[in-house]
Amino acid sequence: ETGVTQTPRHLVMGMTNKKSLKCEQHLGHNAMYWYKQSAKKPLELMFVYNFKEQTENNSVPSRFSPECPNSSHLFLHLHTLQPEDSALYLCASSQDDRVLNTIYFGEGSWLTVV
Amino acid sequence: AQTVTQSQPEMSVQEAETVTLSCTYDTSESDYYLFWYKQPPSRQMILVIRQEAYKQQNATENRFSVNFQKAAKSFSLKISDSQLGDAAMYFCAYRSARGGTSYGKLTFGQGTILTVHP
Repeated sequence: ETGVTQTPRHLVMGMTNKKSLKCEQHLGHNAMYWYKQSAKKPLELMFVYNFKEQTENNSVPSRFSPECPNSSHLFLHLHTLQPEDSALYLCASSQDDRVLNTIYFGEGSWLTVV
Repeated sequence: AQTVTQSQPEMSVQEAETVTLSCTYDTSESDYYLFWYKQPPSRQMILVIRQEAYKQQNATENRFSVNFQKAAKSFSLKISDSQLGDAAMYFCAYRSARGGTSYGKLTFGQGTILTVHP
């Protein structure tokens, strides 16, 4: 059982659709992260939120829009995606991104763009 | 920029035996952290072990240990007494110790699929 829950686990969307991925952590953490894991590239960090403030945007295209309404919830809003955006999107959390803490991952949301 | 290389796409081991997964990295920094993560079929990434570069002693966590060779920029993972539950994809990761950088900004290798045979 994981303290980081992601929904939906699988999502198929067209290039003109708008959808969202949701992440919720039950660990009392203050930092949340979005990572992308694709078949062709190593796992890479997309966004970081620490105490609800975005502290890192790793040159992610604007068709990915994160939202962090509170320390327990993180969203990734998707619109006009490309087929190459198909990947596993992992959410994670840690106690505080300013210090070295264990990062806890969710089980990911599989995204297929058709 | 840092890079992490895992040269073994797949490895296999018999249950109860020992296996070593290789990882090399490239960096110009002197202070950093290294990690091994496990990703089972559930896809949840789980931290296996962590090594601080300033520590000469190799990290150990139960059946998992590392061989950290700083000069050679090598960071291998040894799994002793392998169990069926160890079957997973294993990722080596690097994190700079430089201040002002997100602790979530890990550089991952491509991963090694470990199969455990009964």
